[in-house]
Amino acid sequence: DAGVTQSPTHLIKTRGQQVTLRCSPKSGHDTVSWYQQALGQGPQFIFQYYEEEERQRGNFPDRFSGHQFPNYSSELNVNALLLGDSALYLCASSSILQGANYGYTFGSGTRLTVV
Amino acid sequence: DQQVKQNSPSLSVQEGRISILNCDYTNSMFDYFLWYKKYPAEGPTFLISISSIKDKNEDGRFTVFLNKSAKHLSLHIVPSQPGDSAVYFCAASSNTDKLIFGTGTRLQVFP
Repeated sequence: DAGVTQSPTHLIKTRGQQVTLRCSPKSGHDTVSWYQQALGQGPQFIFQYYEEEERQRGNFPDRFSGHQFPNYSSELNVNALLLGDSALYLCASSSILQGANYGYTFGSGTRLTVV
Repeated sequence: DQQVKQNSPSLSVQEGRISILNCDYTNSMFDYFLWYKKYPAEGPTFLISISSIKDKNEDGRFTVFLNKSAKHLSLHIVPSQPGDSAVYFCAASSNTDKLIFGTGTRLQVFP
């Protein structure tokens, strides 16, 4: 049983460019949350998708957008990249019936470097 | 506004001894607390959780204690093993809402 799969594992982009990160949730999970983890910090909540809609959003600018597909997989898009967007981007999946209390299953993340 | 705080960025413990990791929170609406462990190049993995209606939860070598009046929780690892060396994150949620994470504590267990 595959867990959460994220791609790519590493990415280098130039300031001003756009990037798309992908996530496939754990089998049986229907909710996908995205987190940004900067160096030396804890994961910061970006947004959460359920039933192909953004269900919750953290304190991130509109340059961060996402999408969820009918098969529950998800994409995170970041436009007009800034140097400060360099971070580990983590995808977490869960079941809407259980919510956050039963914990999320995390992928290994995508390391984004903006130069 | 850091709602979940881990004030110790690092902790070094000898193998076989107890490791105590601490976490403080400010939001009294949190009703569930979780600990995650993270190895380099891997995503965080769930370790143990506790509901706000309890003050202790134990799972093998891991025990989490919750003091609601002090808005404080701690993770005890006994006995500590070298494989426990990792970054530990405290997280909290309210009404099955999103998880809010602390900044993490790097635990090093030495022989």
